[in-house]
Amino acid sequence: EAGVAQSPRYKIIEKRQSVAFWCNPISGHATLYWYQQILGQGPKLLIQFQNNGVVDDSQLPKDRFSAERLKGVDSTLKIQPAKLEDSAVYLCASSLGGGSTDTQYFGPGTRLTVL
Amino acid sequence: GEDVEQSLFLSVREGDSSVINCTYTDSSSTYLYWYKQEPGAGLQLLTYIFSNMDMKQDQRLTVLLNKKDKHLSLRIADTQTGDSAIYFCAESTSYGNNRLAFGKGNQVVVIP
Repeated sequence: EAGVAQSPRYKIIEKRQSVAFWCNPISGHATLYWYQQILGQGPKLLIQFQNNGVVDDSQLPKDRFSAERLKGVDSTLKIQPAKLEDSAVYLCASSLGGGSTDTQYFGPGTRLTVL
Repeated sequence: GEDVEQSLFLSVREGDSSVINCTYTDSSSTYLYWYKQEPGAGLQLLTYIFSNMDMKQDQRLTVLLNKKDKHLSLRIADTQTGDSAIYFCAESTSYGNNRLAFGKGNQVVVIP
């Protein structure tokens, strides 16, 4: 079974530029999550989708971050414009459902460096 | 709200046991989890415990939960070099949507 795929693996941009990350969840997983992991910290949930609907985006900085999952499968996360403090690893995860017993499977992440 | 605390670093000799500790604040958490993160890789779920249990054993892993003190620990028996990684504890929050709140992680270095 293929795991969660993410691209690119690494991205370096200058502040005020825009960047987009892509995630392909495990086939059949209805729930998709984007997490931000700043160096030395645990991941923090940015947004959670159930199929193509947003379940939780309470921790997403909506002035600069956006995400979509138009067909309920792949998802993109965009930052526009980027700030220095956005430097982090962006992790995508997916689970079969959105309940507490549904294991979240994580992709390898995209490491973003903002200069 | 959710807040998960972990100590930062542990070194252990190969073959010894290692214990990683974690405290959490959300008493309504239904599940508590241990994840492993190796360099350059995503997080891998190791084990989890339901909040009405106080112990769970899974091969070399033993999870202890003290709900009164909101304390969670992970014991790894016969630690191997492949166990070198960062370990995160996480709690499911009371939002009912499977949001996980992670600690800062504990780096375990296994010395051969």
